Amino acid sequence: DAKTTQPPSMDCAEGRAANLPCNHSTISGNEYVYWYRQIHSQGPQYIIHGLKNNETNEMASLIITEDRKSSTLILPHATLRDTAVYYCIVISGAAGNKLTFGGGTRVLVKP
Amino acid sequence: SAVISQKPSRDICQRGTSLTIQCQVDSQVTMMFWYRQQPGQSLTLIATANQGSEATYESGFVIDKFPISRPNLTFSTLTVSNMSPEDSSIYLCSVEQTGPETQYFGPGTRLLVL
Repeated sequence: DAKTTQPPSMDCAEGRAANLPCNHSTISGNEYVYWYRQIHSQGPQYIIHGLKNNETNEMASLIITEDRKSSTLILPHATLRDTAVYYCIVISGAAGNKLTFGGGTRVLVKP
Repeated sequence: SAVISQKPSRDICQRGTSLTIQCQVDSQVTMMFWYRQQPGQSLTLIATANQGSEATYESGFVIDKFPISRPNLTFSTLTVSNMSPEDSSIYLCSVEQTGPETQYFGPGTRLLVL
């Protein structure tokens, strides 16, 4: 599975959009980009995933560059409850995927 | 998404003892996974548990230390055997749901070994 690179931490203001970058320059054609987050003392929470098209759901938007070597998770209106560690993971779409968690980005939403 | 529960939610244990952690999901799933998260660290996969077959362990994890059961499609247990303080971690189970293949995690079991 392709390796990902994320900034270790970032701050954002409550009510503003939070843009979380992820580099995955070695991604292969059949690999998806998944995003999870882990709020303190809880299990990881699935956010969104995509292959090559931009995706949006009730939690976030995922923008994948045309060459698929990087992506951005967008939290449109960050709240204090969005403070968490966000993980970008690249895996194939096959069953039995093993998620490899890197260090993630520690996001602190400030009032 | 599936609703996953774990028991116990936390425990404090003495070294040399064993603890069995239960993972229950509200729907039938083929793939279940067990992860460990050591203090201040990210998650590490321990093993994959499919119903009807032996669990598949990742490098660095062995069945004698972390025996796993998977008696049906909604339940699994992980036992942490002969515990030492180094086993103090959060243990999490996850399930894979298809359409598309996505893992969902339980709330975790916080283990402290004294």
